[in-house]
Amino acid sequence: DVKVTQSSRYLVKRTGEKVFLECVQDMDHENMFWYRQDPGLGLRLIYFSYDVKMKEKGDIPEGYSVSREKKERFSLILESASTNQTSMYLCASSSPQGKRNQPQHFGDGTRLSIL
Amino acid sequence: ILNVEQSPQSLHVQEGDSTNFTCSFPSSNFYALHWYRWETAKSPEALFVMTLNGDEKKKGRISATLNTKEGYSYLYIKGSQPEDSATYLCASPTAGNKLTFGGGTRVLVKP
Repeated sequence: DVKVTQSSRYLVKRTGEKVFLECVQDMDHENMFWYRQDPGLGLRLIYFSYDVKMKEKGDIPEGYSVSREKKERFSLILESASTNQTSMYLCASSSPQGKRNQPQHFGDGTRLSIL
Repeated sequence: ILNVEQSPQSLHVQEGDSTNFTCSFPSSNFYALHWYRWETAKSPEALFVMTLNGDEKKKGRISATLNTKEGYSYLYIKGSQPEDSATYLCASPTAGNKLTFGGGTRVLVKP
């Protein structure tokens, strides 16, 4: 079974702090994704990566950056946290085989509160 | 941005009853339609990935149908049980393996 592990289930940070959310997958997947989930808005893609050191912006990248130095690890960085970044953050991974018909495998999520 | 919509946003079902809900998506340039189940305090879990018009997939008491020409998919739950309570998400790919998700249908099964 694919295991996607996010470093924290709950996190509380202060406005202006630099925040790191870590995600590790154990299935050698090329694709990794960061989403945020807000009530009534579904999952919205922040950034994704198809390979090591490669990143592409999703639909809402403003205020975020990412890092993928190793294939199994994809980090989301809030450069200067703001209260509107309070949300549930989900990491996912997938195999590129067949590309768009491969399901994504998700971590348990990190509920981040910015005070 | 690809517009994927789900309805209703939420529904309450009596235990033992069957129910269904809808995912709509643009029918042009269709490639695939994903369904996920997201239970509280757990991670979203893939249910189905559907690619063919008229396709029907089944997993236990849950099944899904796909109409790519008119741009909709139905998800059915037969004989709902409390453990079916979850948010059900559909998603459709855009470029590469980038998915656009609908807002979800939250299902609450009452004993």
